[in-house]
Amino acid sequence: AQSVSQHNHHVILSEAASLELGCNYSYGGTVNLFWYVQYPGQHLQLLLKYFSGDPLVKGIKGFEAEFIKSKFSFNLRKPSVQWSDTAEYFCAVNGAGNQFYFGTGTSLTVIP
Amino acid sequence: NAGVMQNPRHLVRRRGQEARLRCSPMKGHSHVYWYRQLPEEGLKFMVYLQKENIIDESGMPKERFSAEFPKEGPSILRIQQVVRGDSAAYFCASSPDRGGTGELFFGEGSRLTVL
Repeated sequence: AQSVSQHNHHVILSEAASLELGCNYSYGGTVNLFWYVQYPGQHLQLLLKYFSGDPLVKGIKGFEAEFIKSKFSFNLRKPSVQWSDTAEYFCAVNGAGNQFYFGTGTSLTVIP
Repeated sequence: NAGVMQNPRHLVRRRGQEARLRCSPMKGHSHVYWYRQLPEEGLKFMVYLQKENIIDESGMPKERFSAEFPKEGPSILRIQQVVRGDSAAYFCASSPDRGGTGELFFGEGSRLTVL
């Protein structure tokens, strides 16, 4: 079975700090990878996705993620966070069977 | 994203009662997924449905939980004889195809509180 691990459960940063959230998955086949964000009181929305091609993908609001196949990782990065980035971030994997498996999420708090 | 509609947004039930959560997918989407979110546990897959078919219910508890997605009308997640442990946020998501190259579009969730 596929699984997704997010190593950081809670992250607190000051504005302008750089962000990197880890995500590792376990699945031997071809996967599609996603990062979703959930702002307080809102639904989950897509930040970015990787299907194929350039392993460095860029998403909305200055976020990017790098797919490293050899490490089964898809880490999310942002060079300079803002207070408005305070949210919960979920990594997700989609592979065979068309299932979407989500990590446990990382709660990011950005201090102004 | 107002496309995926869930209701009710908040539901309070006493132990032993039934809870029914409804989800209308985005227009043109024929695939529906239900997830449960508990604090510190992330999103747990429950069931994946297509119109009139349950594709994968491997995440559904064996008892008290059921789901349907009829030809007409919304998808319904039904929890019978609720217990306090059922208190959680339940999210519905839809996709236009089998999800292999697409993404999921989420509703705003239904928050169930069992007293």
